[in-house]
Amino acid sequence: QVQLVQSGAEVKKPGASVKISCKASGYTFTSYYIHWVRQAPGQGLEWMGIINPSLGSTTHAQRFQGRVTVTRDTSTSTVYMELSSLRSEDTAVYYCARDLRVTTPFDYWGQGTLVTVST
Amino acid sequence: DIQMTQSPSTLSASIGDRVTITCRASQSISNWLAWYQQKPGKAPKLLIYEASSLESGVPSRFSGSGSGTEFTLSISSLQPDDFATYYCQQYSVYSKTFGQGTKVEI
Repeated sequence: QVQLVQSGAEVKKPGASVKISCKASGYTFTSYYIHWVRQAPGQGLEWMGIINPSLGSTTHAQRFQGRVTVTRDTSTSTVYMELSSLRSEDTAVYYCARDLRVTTPFDYWGQGTLVTVST
Repeated sequence: DIQMTQSPSTLSASIGDRVTITCRASQSISNWLAWYQQKPGKAPKLLIYEASSLESGVPSRFSGSGSGTEFTLSISSLQPDDFATYYCQQYSVYSKTFGQGTKVEI
């Protein structure tokens, strides 16, 4: 069965970086795009960016340009999202989710990774 | 980016009520709209895609309509399991933005 399994919760200090993983299984890794979506406490869903696991190409929301790096390891079917220069406003649950192409919705999501940024 | 606006932000309802949530896009997205349900501590769950197509396994009391810039999600007879937050999402472009959510509460 399709699964996206994310790494565990993180606590970071302001200014640090965090790297979250999303391991895919149950399907052909390079056939589906992976997106990152975050949700601050009590807030809505915010789209962050996308990676094409086949090519490794990425696109990010403008507000994260320069701070987010998304990579993939096809040998382990894992996508990584690194967010740098963390601030308290980055405290959120980060989700990975997959889709087949632009005109399809997210059909599977990871379980979420809580990142807490605090002194 | 395409902006998505949902209303209302909160909806108070009772078991058996019919409820409707509205979602507006800042530009035409054809029918590339999805609705998700999210419960506390859980990832969102896909309910509706292409504005009106019911995802497999989703109860038929859920329905969606609309095209272009205006869309609605309806629940015909609210059940206890339906109390949750609902999000619309446009997927006409790769930056797949969400509405701000509608919390359905008792």
